[in-house]
Amino acid sequence: ILNVEQSPQSLHVQEGDSTNFTCSFPSSNFYALHWYRWETAKSPEALFVMTLNGDEKKKGRISATLNTKEGYSYLYIKGSQPEDSATYLCAPQTGANNLFFGTGTRLTVIP
Amino acid sequence: DSGVTQTPKHLITATGQRVTLRCSPRSGDLSVYWYQQSLDQGLQFLIQYYNGEERAKGNILERFSAQQFPDLHSELNLSSLELGDSALYFCASSRDTGESTFGSGTRLTVV
Repeated sequence: ILNVEQSPQSLHVQEGDSTNFTCSFPSSNFYALHWYRWETAKSPEALFVMTLNGDEKKKGRISATLNTKEGYSYLYIKGSQPEDSATYLCAPQTGANNLFFGTGTRLTVIP
Repeated sequence: DSGVTQTPKHLITATGQRVTLRCSPRSGDLSVYWYQQSLDQGLQFLIQYYNGEERAKGNILERFSAQQFPDLHSELNLSSLELGDSALYFCASSRDTGESTFGSGTRLTVV
């Protein structure tokens, strides 16, 4: 069982604002770090998988960075839109086994 | 449609009963994961199967068991059900223990 911490737990931002949140995880036995987007009443949807220290991934207005040595990842959303409202989950992967999900950051974008 | 099929979508049963949740993974995926999401909780990893064999165990109660069949579909058996077992149960599959694709979940209500 991995101790995965995501902060903040919830966040309200105005449409057009940029925002970011953090995922902290143990740096030992690191294999990969996954970010998922989970909209209400839907299934979690994969955003990024990152494996290398210093990795940076981008998908549209959403990007993520990874620091495996200190055990953290940041997710950034530029110019938030109401459709970005969701819970963002991070899940570190140890070895080649299962993912351990954090409790997520619930983002609400206010129009 | 993510390609991961879970049945049933909803299940209401009484305390003390036993239920079976079914998951068909995405075509070609060998790994199946089961997760539980209780009220106000994050995704709790229960168990992983890879090509028919148990690969990893998480916070799975002894009253719960799972298996993966030769055709790679998986079943999660929940017995002696308690009110606290009411939750959303997700199945996910992956090809090489990497990025996972989630099913739409089974909502279990124990009354």
